[in-house]
Amino acid sequence: GGIITQTPKFLIGQEGQKLTLKCQQNFNHDTMYWYRQDSGKGLRLIYYSITENDLQKGDLSEGYDASREKKSSFSLTVTSAQKNEMAVFLCASSILGGHEQYFGPGTRLTVL
Amino acid sequence: GEQVEQRPPHLSVREGDSAVITCTYTDPNSYYFFWYKQEPGASLQLLMKVFSSTEINEGQGFTVLLNKKDKRLSLNLTAAHPGDSAAYFCAVSAYTGNYKYVFGAGTRLKVIA
Repeated sequence: GGIITQTPKFLIGQEGQKLTLKCQQNFNHDTMYWYRQDSGKGLRLIYYSITENDLQKGDLSEGYDASREKKSSFSLTVTSAQKNEMAVFLCASSILGGHEQYFGPGTRLTVL
Repeated sequence: GEQVEQRPPHLSVREGDSAVITCTYTDPNSYYFFWYKQEPGASLQLLMKVFSSTEINEGQGFTVLLNKKDKRLSLNLTAAHPGDSAAYFCAVSAYTGNYKYVFGAGTRLKVIA
């Protein structure tokens, strides 16, 4: 088995601030994902990385940057935090495209 | 691109009753189908999966059925108990070369004791 850890668990920022969320997995999975989940809603894909050194935009990439530092870690940066993007950010990983994704516990973002 | 519609958005049943959640999808090349459970304040946990070649899967009191002709995926809960209260999400992915899931919007299930 493995685990996905996300830090921090709670993130409070000011409007306009640049904020970074981190994700680590020890599954040795190739592919990693960042999703945004708004309260009571489904998941929207922000960025994904098929393998180390790869970066792909999802449907919601505007206003975000991502970095796949190594196989086990994937970071997401909110380039300029806005009040309407308060949400939970979920990191996930999978062994290959199409296979099940395993999710981390999430980072809850609050923008003041 | 693929679109997934999940119904109903909210579902309330009594303990011991059955519950059915349905997702319809548009891409006939969809091959991998997943159901995730999200308890309040928690992350998503894989509940069940079914591939286009298998069409049915059972376990943990749930049955997943895939109707490829109608492009419909269903999650059937045979005897609900309060511990099943959660949000359920379907996810659909194409066969190969596609690393992206398309998620349904979710169903909030409440089981009343």
